[in-house]
Amino acid sequence: DTAVSQTPKYLVTQMGNDKSIKCEQNLGHDTMYWYKQDSKKFLKIMFSYNNKELIINETVPNRFSPKSPDKAHLNLHINSLELGDSAVYFCASSQDRATTQYFGPGTRLTVL
Amino acid sequence: GENVEQHPSTLSVQEGDSAVIKCTYSDSASNYFPWYKQELGKRPQLIIDIRSNVGEKKDQRIAVTLNKTAKHFSLHITETQPEDSAVYFCAASKGGNYQLIWGAGTKLIIKP
Repeated sequence: DTAVSQTPKYLVTQMGNDKSIKCEQNLGHDTMYWYKQDSKKFLKIMFSYNNKELIINETVPNRFSPKSPDKAHLNLHINSLELGDSAVYFCASSQDRATTQYFGPGTRLTVL
Repeated sequence: GENVEQHPSTLSVQEGDSAVIKCTYSDSASNYFPWYKQELGKRPQLIIDIRSNVGEKKDQRIAVTLNKTAKHFSLHITETQPEDSAVYFCAASKGGNYQLIWGAGTKLIIKP
């Protein structure tokens, strides 16, 4: 009965590789998000996706791309991984703007 | 651009004492102000939120106050307990879109 789930929980990979993180929510929410949390614990919004409207944080490199096959899923693809991409990535969802965001358990990405 | 400043970055209080964390925001269009708690190794979870038409909201030992004129809001935790130890994040809604602007977080340490 997990509300927001992510896979994998841990991801260790080499520089230059391409990887994906999957996110699914069973809350029936209309909006989904991707966050990056670095070692200093800053929570940085990367993307929000609502009804096919994608809002991208302008500081996110174009190596990162969200893909939404349907309203319940928002996957994150990362091309040409770099050392600085190492972080915990959280998926979240909310019913509407300015409402509670429910976070997934996070994916710890380590780039070697 | 819009930003949210959060202070202090670390707060250490004796068990049983009160803790106060403050945030200021810059976007006058912000109308939703949530507080999230993130325990070590866990996901952020909403603990309380307030909307711009309310000045104060309370939930047991936790309260949030909002001063729209001064553009700041605060989290108050009374009778602190060891399980209150965590990182607390404030956030403010960003104009008309679905994203939140997040504070940098406050690490709250409860001393026994």
